[in-house]
Amino acid sequence: GQSLEQPSEVTAVEGAIVQINCTYQTSGFYGLSWYQQHDGGAPTFLSYNALDGLEETGRFSSFLSRSDSYGYLLLQELQMKDSASYFCAVKGRYSYKLIFGSGTRLLVRP
Amino acid sequence: SAVISQKPSRDICQRGTSLTIQCQVDSQVTMMFWYRQQPGQSLTLIATANQGSEATYESGFVIDKFPISRPNLTFSTLTVSNMSPEDSSIYLCSVEDPDLGGRANEKLFFGSGTQLSVL
Repeated sequence: GQSLEQPSEVTAVEGAIVQINCTYQTSGFYGLSWYQQHDGGAPTFLSYNALDGLEETGRFSSFLSRSDSYGYLLLQELQMKDSASYFCAVKGRYSYKLIFGSGTRLLVRP
Repeated sequence: SAVISQKPSRDICQRGTSLTIQCQVDSQVTMMFWYRQQPGQSLTLIATANQGSEATYESGFVIDKFPISRPNLTFSTLTVSNMSPEDSSIYLCSVEDPDLGGRANEKLFFGSGTQLSVL
């Protein structure tokens, strides 16, 4: 099976940079995804890393290291609207199911 | 992309009753996924619904408690049966991005969720 661990909560100030880590255990997988969920809202897709390295999408970047079973989401120039929960997720290579990590609640302060 | 209409958005139900949640997708999709999310927690997959076959349930979830219908490629329902306060949660349906192909498709679109409270 798969398991993904994330810090439960991270706090940062507006304009700063924050990194949300994800460590995983899985017996083969395609890549690592990240989702954002605001309170009361549905999860929305942010990014996907199929290969090792950094993928950049605007203020958000995501990184994957398969050798270290580790990835992270990097948020730059933090804005108040970035306050949300962030989930990493994987789909096992022999599975059709997307399994989500424990989630990290990000609080951005003025 | 995909747009999912999920209803009801919320409901308050009495113990022992049942609630059926509906999801309508604006495009044809092979699989529809039903997740449960307790307040402040992660998403837990309940089952996967395929058109024309019985749903596949995850460990800890059974068909008698969470019967699922999938009559066509754009619609599915999840029923929460014989409810107890422990069933109070948010229920979400989701689909993979129909514009992407392949087994590595990890881009899910979600319905807006059903917040269920059982008294």
